[in-house]
Amino acid sequence: QSVLTQPPSASGTPGQRVTISCSGSSSNIGNNFVFWYQQLPGTAPKLLIYRSNQRPSGVPDRFSGSKSDTSASLAISGLRSEDEADYFCASWDDNLSGVLFGGGTTLTVL
Amino acid sequence: QVQLQESGPGLVKPSETLSLTCGVSGGSITSDYWSWIRQVPGRGLQWIGYIYYSGGPNYNPSLKSRVTISIDTSKNQFSLKLDSATAADTAIYYCANGPGATRLTSWGQGTLVTVSS
Repeated sequence: QSVLTQPPSASGTPGQRVTISCSGSSSNIGNNFVFWYQQLPGTAPKLLIYRSNQRPSGVPDRFSGSKSDTSASLAISGLRSEDEADYFCASWDDNLSGVLFGGGTTLTVL
Repeated sequence: QVQLQESGPGLVKPSETLSLTCGVSGGSITSDYWSWIRQVPGRGLQWIGYIYYSGGPNYNPSLKSRVTISIDTSKNQFSLKLDSATAADTAIYYCANGPGATRLTSWGQGTLVTVSS
């Protein structure tokens, strides 16, 4: 089944480190790169991580990505209030021959 | 990065065709991947499809029978047509582009399309 599974919510306090997981299968994460998008309230998504662990220019190094087997993670260190957003993982799926998005994780900074 | 702007009707009647255009500025449409993604407000993202200038379109299998994505190089824009619209197609529609189908570096602001009589 072509699905990317994320926890619906995550939270942390300012300065803390939080991680968001994305679980897939051999047809997607297991065989392709993972991408992460940040969607601030009322705005379009923004590319945060590409090729599983690369940051576009302008993205703070507080954000990092990793991948292992059929799962991936987004880590945010030194959490800030402005990090409150929805985070989506994405990957190419070989069975779908198309793009899969995870269901999204809403991050709350307490 | 290019700038993208969606345009089209915000209200579509059931069974009619949903049509949107994405204007591209600050770059040429003759390279990269040009994509459409939609999002039911408060929900997740759904990939609709993309078109690659020299490689043709690729659509989400769940929508493939109803979707057409095309490029107009003379106007530097690309378009989405979704036939036989239903209430389930009510969503915010984003156009996006990037060097890969999953590496979307530029996004439009999104446009809400409601399917209702």
